[in-house]
Amino acid sequence: EAGVAQSPRYKIIEKRQSVAFWCNPISGHATLYWYQQILGQGPKLLIQFQNNGVVDDSQLPKDRFSAERLKGVDSTLKIQPAKLEDSAVYLCASSLVQGARETQYFGPGTRLLVL
Amino acid sequence: GQNIDQPTEMTATEGAIVQINCTYQTSGFNGLFWYQQHAGEAPTFLSYNVLDGLEEKGRFSSFLSRSKGYSYLLLKELQMKDSASYLCAVRAYGGGSQGNLIFGKGTKLSVKP
Repeated sequence: EAGVAQSPRYKIIEKRQSVAFWCNPISGHATLYWYQQILGQGPKLLIQFQNNGVVDDSQLPKDRFSAERLKGVDSTLKIQPAKLEDSAVYLCASSLVQGARETQYFGPGTRLLVL
Repeated sequence: GQNIDQPTEMTATEGAIVQINCTYQTSGFNGLFWYQQHAGEAPTFLSYNVLDGLEEKGRFSSFLSRSKGYSYLLLKELQMKDSASYLCAVRAYGGGSQGNLIFGKGTKLSVKP
């Protein structure tokens, strides 16, 4: 079974530029998450989708971050304009609910460096 | 507020046993997860506890006490490849159907020969 795919793996941009990340979840997983992981910290949830609807975006900085999941499969996360503090790894995860248990599976992440 | 505490770093010897503790204070509880994360890689799922007690899976075991807000991950017969960060995550109420994961900062484990 193929895992969660993300691209690009690395991105370097200057502050005030725009950047977009792409995620393809595990086939059949209805729930998709975007996390931000700053060096030395645990992942922090940015947004959660259920199929193509947003379930929770309470921690998404909406003045500069946006995300969409058209057709309920692939998803893109955009930052416009980027700030220095956005330097982090952006992780995409997908999950399948099996009874009362939901396990999230993570992609390899995109490492963003904002100069 | 939501708070998950775990030690920042630990060191252990190859072949030994190590216990990584996690304490949590969250708004509600709907399960606790342990993930392993090698440097530069994505977190990978290790274990899940929702009821009190010990869950064993090969060399790894995880324990939960909901009344104490406490969990630990036990790694036996340590191998060099176990050098990684171990993330404790609690599913708290809110968000999607099962609630959202709140992660601790992770414990960096170094296994030495």
